[in-house]
Amino acid sequence: DQQVKQNSPSLSVQEGRISILNCDYTNSMFDYFLWYKKYPAEGPTFLISISSIKDKNEDGRFTVFLNKSAKHLSLHIVPSQPGDSAVYFCAATASFSNYQLIWGAGTKLIIKP
Amino acid sequence: KAGVTQTPRYLIKTRGQQVTLSCSPISGHRSVSWYQQTPGQGLQFLFEYFSETQRNKGNFPGRFSGRQFSNSRSEMNVSTLELGDSALYLCASSLFQGSSTGELFFGEGSRLTVL
Repeated sequence: DQQVKQNSPSLSVQEGRISILNCDYTNSMFDYFLWYKKYPAEGPTFLISISSIKDKNEDGRFTVFLNKSAKHLSLHIVPSQPGDSAVYFCAATASFSNYQLIWGAGTKLIIKP
Repeated sequence: KAGVTQTPRYLIKTRGQQVTLSCSPISGHRSVSWYQQTPGQGLQFLFEYFSETQRNKGNFPGRFSGRQFSNSRSEMNVSTLELGDSALYLCASSLFQGSSTGELFFGEGSRLTVL
């Protein structure tokens, strides 16, 4: 049973517009959430994170929103740039998983020029 | 500083063979985790080593094993390879055991193809 779900395998967005990537989770015990970005033939790289005690974290063009009641988080990229084209993974961690990251399946973001 | 280095980058094996993959973490990092990534799947956690001891293990059969050396370098081994073992194997290092703050540093991966 997938505890972290990214239901959109892919997303296409016009350059300059907002990209919104979504992630749902099932376990309310998760206490930290992260987004990683992965280019082909490279390992994932850390992008941004949020603690469960917050509802928003911002870093430049990237903002992550956490809605605990809905068990939902989203990553907003504004404005979207061609270099943002990549696969984005949502991950969560908690003491019940010995703080190992539990990953979603990823969403492939394509930025159209 | 140098990043996480994985070798080999690509390899092809046949069913029944065994394979060993190597990972050198970032200098000073003592934790090494291994993940398997297959198309359409997220990263599946294999195991984590910290100070030469396996600290956590994912839900993989015993054919998958690993070890960590005193210099924190790690190897993983897959014996009796099956077609379904074809995947990208990623190694990640971190300063501390587990990932309570979450940030892992990944290598570029070893792409294994089993024929």
